[in-house]
Amino acid sequence: ETGVTQTPRHLVMGMTNKKSLKCEQHLGHNAMYWYKQSAKKPLELMFVYNFKEQTENNSVPSRFSPECPNSSHLFLHLHTLQPEDSALYLCASSQGILGPFNYGYTFGSGTRLTVV
Amino acid sequence: AQSVTQLGSHVSVSEGALVLLRCNYSSSVPPYLFWYVQYPNQGLQLLLKYTSAATLVKGINGFEAEFKKSETSFHLTKPSAHMSDAAEYFCAVSGGSQGNLIFGKGTKLSVKP
Repeated sequence: ETGVTQTPRHLVMGMTNKKSLKCEQHLGHNAMYWYKQSAKKPLELMFVYNFKEQTENNSVPSRFSPECPNSSHLFLHLHTLQPEDSALYLCASSQGILGPFNYGYTFGSGTRLTVV
Repeated sequence: AQSVTQLGSHVSVSEGALVLLRCNYSSSVPPYLFWYVQYPNQGLQLLLKYTSAATLVKGINGFEAEFKKSETSFHLTKPSAHMSDAAEYFCAVSGGSQGNLIFGKGTKLSVKP
């Protein structure tokens, strides 16, 4: 248990489905991130939230929609995904937007998403 | 722009042998550097970090890394590999546009008995 909890751990969804990924941290961190991890690619930053405000949308398609209702919770809403969206989706948190410089991230265990 | 290159997508060593995983970085400012480890079906766990203090950094599980500015390198080493070290290792550098870390593609370490 790292302090960052992601649910579900595995998700299989059809291309017409709507689902949500959830991330929760109780570390007192103020910044939260969504990363996509695909085989043989570097981790891709998707979204950054600092104090609940989105500060980065890294050219992510609109079929991915993030939500950050408070500093402890982060969601990724999914709809009409494509098979190439199959990947491991990782949530991370840090102590503020400059936290990664000094402390790095704390990652969750990820959600393994398969789009069929 | 900041970037990280990890040489070798797959490294195989025998149990008890030296582990050396290579990382070179590019940064326009003094970097903060990190090594993370990822075990199967898990997220990434911080192994060690360099934040401009000592150039030789010791981390968990017997790993260490040395920051060499002249070589723009931050290689990860462990004197004697254990079977439990089999995992994927990621080098990262600070300096993304939102204060985020930029990760390399990872190196998968296999340990043979």
